[in-house]
Amino acid sequence: QVQLVESGGGVVQPGGSLRLSCAASGFTFSSYGMHWVRQAPGKGLEWVAFIRFDGSDKYYTDSVRGRFTISRDSSKNTLYLQMNGLRTEDTAVYYCAKRGDSGIYSFDSWGQGTLVTVSS
Amino acid sequence: QSALTQPASVSGSPGQSITISCTGTSSDVGGYNYVSWYQHHPGKAPKLMIYDVSKRPSGVSDRFSGSKSGNTASLTISGLQAEDEADYYCNSYTTSSTWVFGGGTELTVL
Repeated sequence: QVQLVESGGGVVQPGGSLRLSCAASGFTFSSYGMHWVRQAPGKGLEWVAFIRFDGSDKYYTDSVRGRFTISRDSSKNTLYLQMNGLRTEDTAVYYCAKRGDSGIYSFDSWGQGTLVTVSS
Repeated sequence: QSALTQPASVSGSPGQSITISCTGTSSDVGGYNYVSWYQHHPGKAPKLMIYDVSKRPSGVSDRFSGSKSGNTASLTISGLQAEDEADYYCNSYTTSSTWVFGGGTELTVL
């Protein structure tokens, strides 16, 4: 069965950096596009970034473009999110999600999330 | 990239049906048949309930159904059960090759 496990969250000061990881198993990681989605405290889900199966294209929501970088290492079955220039408004639980099998524009498997807190 | 518009909350009694709306624009909901819906119990991973407007993943109860008209998509839950109490989010692919979620709807089963 598909398993996605996020790690790397923690407390960081404004302007700081953090790299999140998402370890994938139970499917052919190299064949699927992957997403990052976040949820700020008391708020709704927000799509953050997407990377194609081969890493050839990457897309970002406006608020993180130029600060965050999504990447993947298929030899390690791992998805990453490098977050630089962090702001207090980036505080959230960050989820990785797999592109849908049938509905390729949906997210059919999710991790449990990792909490990022940006605070001085 | 404005969030899709959902009602903040809906409620219903066990056995009843409820519908959650999701309104976007011609650049997202109205532009593609790529609307999906997610059930989210706080502290757990979100779960895909509907994809491509009206298709159900394997294992999802047929009490859940989806539809779309113009720029508005809808999720209907029939035969409400206590376990359906959760937050529900719609999502759409956009003409900018990005994705956008709705603000979320809290479903209360009375």
